[in-house]
Order: sequence, then structure tokens, then C-alpha cells
Amino acid sequence: AQKITQTQPGMFVQEKEAVTLDCTYDTSDPSYGLFWYKQPSSGEMIFLIYQGSYDQQNATEGRYSLNFQKARKSANLVISASQLGDSAMYFCAMSAGNTPLVFGKGTRLSVIA
Amino acid sequence: DVKVTQSSRYLVKRTGEKVFLECVQDMDHENMFWYRQDPGLGLRLIYFSYDVKMKEKGDIPEGYSVSREKKERFSLILESASTNQTSMYLCASTRDSITDTQYFGPGTRLTVL
Repeated sequence: AQKITQTQPGMFVQEKEAVTLDCTYDTSDPSYGLFWYKQPSSGEMIFLIYQGSYDQQNATEGRYSLNFQKARKSANLVISASQLGDSAMYFCAMSAGNTPLVFGKGTRLSVIA
Repeated sequence: DVKVTQSSRYLVKRTGEKVFLECVQDMDHENMFWYRQDPGLGLRLIYFSYDVKMKEKGDIPEGYSVSREKKERFSLILESASTNQTSMYLCASTRDSITDTQYFGPGTRLTVL
């Protein structure tokens, strides 16, 4: 069975600083995908970034990058130059085999001016 | 852009009522999903559908049923609403595979009194 663990219920970061949100995963399937979503207070889940298990390079999308460490089974999200609008819940998710995404419990990020 | 819409942002119902939550996607996606989201529990999969009239149970199907009569529309039905079904309900879709990136609707916050 697939499992996603996000150990940080809440995080604070100063505006313009970088922040890392932790995510570890567990699966026995060699082929899997890792996703990060952002959920602002409005409630909609916004897709941020994807990493495939066979991708050689870490994924990047603008200010978002995914620090993928396969041996440690971690897929941390790094947000550079934090902005006030980055304050939200962040969810890590995984797909493996032929099962839909499994989500972690989320990390609430608060950006301080 | 993918657009997933849900019939209501907020809904208040009484215990024992039959409740319909509607979800529509306009990008000809094959697969659709219903989740509920509760504080501290993350997103939990209720049901998903990989084709018209086809459905699969997720992790917490008890107390719910679904209907997919047309490709673009996926309905979640609470046959007899109970207070423990008060939650945020999120609909999502994927283009080809159930393991693809999921695109979400804005969510329906349901309160059962």
C-alpha cells in the first residue's frame, strides 16, 4: 500500500526567504509519481509540480522545485523567495501502480511580512 | 485550461435528507473522483469513475453512492445525510489514466444539521 507522510503540521517563513516542506513516501512499486498541490483559503486545490520516479533531474516550476531523494524516499517541496500569497495548505501526493493519488495530511504555510 | 465545476460552494442540509453533489468537467477527461477533506485527515477518496457508468470504491465509500451517466458529469449522493458527513467535498478529474495529474473543482462545503 502507498503512504505519504508530512510531518510538519504548520510552518512559518519570512517573506522573500526560501522554505522547504517535507514529504516522505512509501511504496514497493518501482514506478510512481509524486505531486504537490497548494490549497489557499478559498479551498480549491492547485497543482504545482510533478516528479516521476525515473526522472533523472529534480522537477522545477518557477519558484517551486522538488528535492527528490529516491534512496531516502523523500520528495520535499522548496519554495524560493516566499510571497504573502504563498500562505496556504500544501499537500504532497503519490500515484503508484494502478491506484489513484494518495494524499498526505498537509502542511499549513504562513508567510510573515 | 481544464475546468472542473461543482454545483454549490456551500450547502446546508438536515439529517436524513437525500443530498446530491454535482461535478462537471469540460475537457473530455476519462476519469473523475470524489474526495472528502477534514481537518487533520487530509483528502480521503470516496469513489472514482474510469468510464461512463463505471465506478470503483475508494477508501471511505460507506454512506455514499455515485452516478456517472455522461462522461462530463459525476454525481455524489448521500442517501440519508448524517451529521458525520459534514465536510468539504472535492471533485477532481484526470485526462487518460487514474494516476495522471488530478485537476480539482472549487469544493463544496456541506453542513448537515
